[in-house]
Amino acid sequence: QKEVEQNSGPLSVPEGAIASLNCTYSDRVSQSFFWYRQYSGKSPELIMSIYSNGDKEDGRFTAQLNKASQYVSLLIRDSQPSDSATYLCAVTGANSKLTFGKGITLSVRP
Amino acid sequence: DAGITQSPRYKITETGRQVTLMCHQTWSHSYMFWYRQDLGHGLRLIYYSAAADITDKGEVPDGYVVSRSKTENFPLTLESATRSQTSVYFCASSERTGLLAQHFGDGTRLSIL
Repeated sequence: QKEVEQNSGPLSVPEGAIASLNCTYSDRVSQSFFWYRQYSGKSPELIMSIYSNGDKEDGRFTAQLNKASQYVSLLIRDSQPSDSATYLCAVTGANSKLTFGKGITLSVRP
Repeated sequence: DAGITQSPRYKITETGRQVTLMCHQTWSHSYMFWYRQDLGHGLRLIYYSAAADITDKGEVPDGYVVSRSKTENFPLTLESATRSQTSVYFCASSERTGLLAQHFGDGTRLSIL
């Protein structure tokens, strides 16, 4: 069973702080990595994708991938109350199927 | 508006009844997926389809049936609903599986009494 594990939550940070969300995966041949944001009662929304080792920045979001250590992380700089949501890590394995972590709930305190 | 549409948004039914959840996408994406989302389990893949008339099982296919006669539609049928199938169901599509992200519909909240 290929697994995607996210660090236990919930995570609470003050407004303006950096939120760090981590994810590890078990399938060494995984190729594609995604972060989705899901507001309560809504559907998952793609916020970042990353395919190669290193950092990828998009506005206040930075995704970091380390294939040797099999982890992918998401940093949210200058966190805002509107960032309060559940964040899902998703990884594509050798079978091309997307496996989701269970998610971590982020709360940004005003 | 182009995108992926699920219907109904909410459904209440009784055990033993047949229920069909609809999914329609206007992107002409080849791949379509059905997930269920439950507390403690996250998103789990039920079935997926690589193209019209091509479907395959996911992680939790038992009790579900799918079909894909047209590229844009991918209905999910619960042939005899059970309480354990109470969940939120999401349909998603992707231009290519694996390398490209999936885009989700708004979901169907299904309650089976």
